[in-house]
Amino acid sequence: GDSVTQMEGPVTLSEEAFLTINCTYTATGYPSLFWYVQYPGEGLQLLLKATKADDKGSNKGFEATYRKETTSFHLEKGSVQVSDSAVYFCALSLNQAGTALIFGKGTTLSVSS
Amino acid sequence: GAVVSQHPSRVICKSGTSVKIECRSLDFQATTMFWYRQFPKQSLMLMATSNEGSKATYEQGVEKDKFLINHASLTLSTLTVTSAHPEDSSFYICSARQGGNYGYTFGSGTRLTVV
Repeated sequence: GDSVTQMEGPVTLSEEAFLTINCTYTATGYPSLFWYVQYPGEGLQLLLKATKADDKGSNKGFEATYRKETTSFHLEKGSVQVSDSAVYFCALSLNQAGTALIFGKGTTLSVSS
Repeated sequence: GAVVSQHPSRVICKSGTSVKIECRSLDFQATTMFWYRQFPKQSLMLMATSNEGSKATYEQGVEKDKFLINHASLTLSTLTVTSAHPEDSSFYICSARQGGNYGYTFGSGTRLTVV
């Protein structure tokens, strides 16, 4: 079935380090891909998205490229900050009316100064 | 941008009572809303899909008589946890899709504690 697999955390980095969180997917058709971020005690915020192969989503220094050949959507940031500490969720949408997002298990990022 | 308002953000209730959680799309119409449950340090578990004007579709293993969902208008869906018990304590999050390529917008979540 359709699914999202992302690297398990926690990921612990020092400030200004390079971040990669891996995400791969299995889906029929042509899904859209998303990264959401969740800060403690809050709901999910859309970080970035890509709707077709080779699209690059970017926001707040984060980037992810939709790679259909490797069915991946890895999240990267060149220089993390303490404020980036949160849980990151990779998700896909099958682009069918009435269907919910399919989430990965989430990756906790902890950045220390 | 699209905004989904969810409240209350926190609620504490006594075991055996019912609690209603509201989810509103503030600046768009949402024919479909989604309800999730999240356990500590875990991912979101889809509970049900709420369709305006019709019955909700529940995921396998979710008790529809316990988690009542009503989607009476294009901007409001409610989740009522009936006869709540401590094991129902969790973080509940709603989501709505605006359509097209606008993606999914999430509410800020409701922390339910049943004592």
